[in-house]
Amino acid sequence: SQQGEEDPQALSIQEGENATMNCSYKTSINNLQWYRQNSGRGLVHLILIRSNEREKHSGRLRVTLDTSKKSSSLLITASRAADTASYFCATDAQGNNNDMRFGAGTRLTVKP
Amino acid sequence: DAGVTQSPTHLIKTRGQQVTLRCSPKSGHDTVSWYQQALGQGPQFIFQYYEEEERQRGNFPDRFSGHQFPNYSSELNVNALLLGDSALYLCASRLRGHYEQYFGPGTRLTVT
Repeated sequence: SQQGEEDPQALSIQEGENATMNCSYKTSINNLQWYRQNSGRGLVHLILIRSNEREKHSGRLRVTLDTSKKSSSLLITASRAADTASYFCATDAQGNNNDMRFGAGTRLTVKP
Repeated sequence: DAGVTQSPTHLIKTRGQQVTLRCSPKSGHDTVSWYQQALGQGPQFIFQYYEEEERQRGNFPDRFSGHQFPNYSSELNVNALLLGDSALYLCASRLRGHYEQYFGPGTRLTVT
């Protein structure tokens, strides 16, 4: 079963704009990860945030985590056409890192 | 440094048949997980192998089985194929004790 749920399901923006995607989950976690997937290919790891962290940055990516609300957000600043992809959040179900649970993803389209 | 590789890339099978998918982990990784991703959905955890044993299993029937070899490569076997088994099968590897997973490009299985 899915652990995370991304919102929105689809997002369309112009190049240069910022894109924000949200993820909600149900159980306690050790960490939350964000992945990108291009056109049904393999997933690429973007960033990991631990449960004791509130914010993390990596290049144009900014991730926040609110464990009290069981939610996370991924912000992509100054988006590019190459950022067009599906974005997934993944959590370790019940604090067990053997079992990563993914949401259904947000489909981001960046128009040139 | 080779990443995660999977074979074959595409596969077409008939209902009732059996299939074997293969995965070679990223160099230095000892833990392999398998995921099933239906069209438009996020990856669903099937199982994870470490030290040649299945360590954790998702909500999949016994028709799904696997194996890990001494060189850490892995196979996913699916018996008595159903139409609903049509999906992208993803292999991911990581180093035990680390959270970040590296995904292969996937095997697209079509059951007719």
